[in-house]
Amino acid sequence: QVQLVQSGAEVKKPGASVKVSCKASGYTFTGYYMHWVRQAPGQGLEWMGWINPNSGGTNYAQKFQGRVTMTRDTSISTAYMELSRLRSDDTAVYYCARNVRIAAAGINWFDPWGQGTLVTVSS
Amino acid sequence: SSELTQDPAVSVALGQTVRITCQGDSLRSYYASWYQQKPGQAPVLVIYGKNNRPSGIPDRFSGSSSGNTASLTITGAQAEDEADYYCNSRDSSGNHRVVFGGGTKLTVL
Repeated sequence: QVQLVQSGAEVKKPGASVKVSCKASGYTFTGYYMHWVRQAPGQGLEWMGWINPNSGGTNYAQKFQGRVTMTRDTSISTAYMELSRLRSDDTAVYYCARNVRIAAAGINWFDPWGQGTLVTVSS
Repeated sequence: SSELTQDPAVSVALGQTVRITCQGDSLRSYYASWYQQKPGQAPVLVIYGKNNRPSGIPDRFSGSSSGNTASLTITGAQAEDEADYYCNSRDSSGNHRVVFGGGTKLTVL
């Protein structure tokens, strides 16, 4: 079955970087864009950006430009999201999600989602 | 525009029908997708496109759209439907980005 499995929880100090992995299985990894979405405690979903696993091309939300880097390793069907210069308000659960779209029909959705990775930023 | 607006909270009596709405300019160009999220769990897709349900989603969930508003309807709400619901669509500003609504907390009374 189609599945995304993320790396485990992380605790980081302010100013450090974190790299979260997302291993895909059950489908052709290079055939679907991978998006990253985060959720701060008690808050809603916040889109961070996407990577095209085929080309490596990326598109980041304005808020994270300059701090986020999305990469992939096609040999192991894994996407990565690295966030640098961490602050306390980066404490959140980070999700990867496979994007499926039918562009001509204006249809786009996320399925499945990874289980989430809690990143805690604390001194 | 890059915003989708949802009511923060909605309640429904057990077995009744509830509609959760999502408003935004991007919905004039793109369909919304809808996600259910229960505490401590990842979001789960419940509706995508015009009105499509993934395998395993009960048929009491349906979607519709008109103008700049998308709606998720639960007909005959069950206790297990109590959750947060988020809408999502492409950003219509041409930058290939994505937007999420702020989420609606559904309480089943």
